[in-house]
Amino acid sequence: EDQVTQSPEALRLQEGESSSLNCSYTVSGLRGLFWYRQDPGKGPEFLFTLYSAGEEKEKERLKATLTKKESFLHITAPKPEDSATYLCAVQARTSGSRLTFGEGTQLTVNP
Amino acid sequence: DGGITQSPKYLFRKEGQNVTLSCEQNLNHDAMYWYRQDPGQGLRLIYYSQIVNDFQKGDIAEGYSVSREKKESFPLTVTSAQKNPTAFYLCATTYGGANYGYTFGSGTRLTVV
Repeated sequence: EDQVTQSPEALRLQEGESSSLNCSYTVSGLRGLFWYRQDPGKGPEFLFTLYSAGEEKEKERLKATLTKKESFLHITAPKPEDSATYLCAVQARTSGSRLTFGEGTQLTVNP
Repeated sequence: DGGITQSPKYLFRKEGQNVTLSCEQNLNHDAMYWYRQDPGQGLRLIYYSQIVNDFQKGDIAEGYSVSREKKESFPLTVTSAQKNPTAFYLCATTYGGANYGYTFGSGTRLTVV
């Protein structure tokens, strides 16, 4: 069974204070790992897809990295508008297009 | 503008009542999904459909039903058999095949009154 565990559950940062969110996964053959951002009361918004260990992708203050067991979402010099819940999901080679999601990390950035 | 439309945004259900949540897309995506989101539990898959007139149960299908008569539409019915339906429901689509991220709708918040 595919499993995704995200940590911490909640993270509070000061504006400009860099940090990382963790996504640990167990999957029977990884096809892709996905990061989403979700604002309260809204649907998740796609951020990144990572396919193989060692891969990195960046978007503004966010950088996602991938190893064989986990992914990190690094947030550099965050701003209050980065406050959201960040979701990680995995897609197994045997599951077609199905995604298995983690429980998310709720990030709050204080000004 | 291409996208996914979920309606209504808020829905209230009485005990013993069936309700239907709408999901319409004009992205020409093949696959459509229904997820349920509860606080602290992430997204759990209810049903999904890869093509018209075909759908499969997800991890928590009991008490729910779906249909896929048109490529654009994938309505979800929450039946009276679903004992704890209060949740945030999300519809998603993808281009079909692997390696593509999902596009999500804005969600429907269902509350039992």
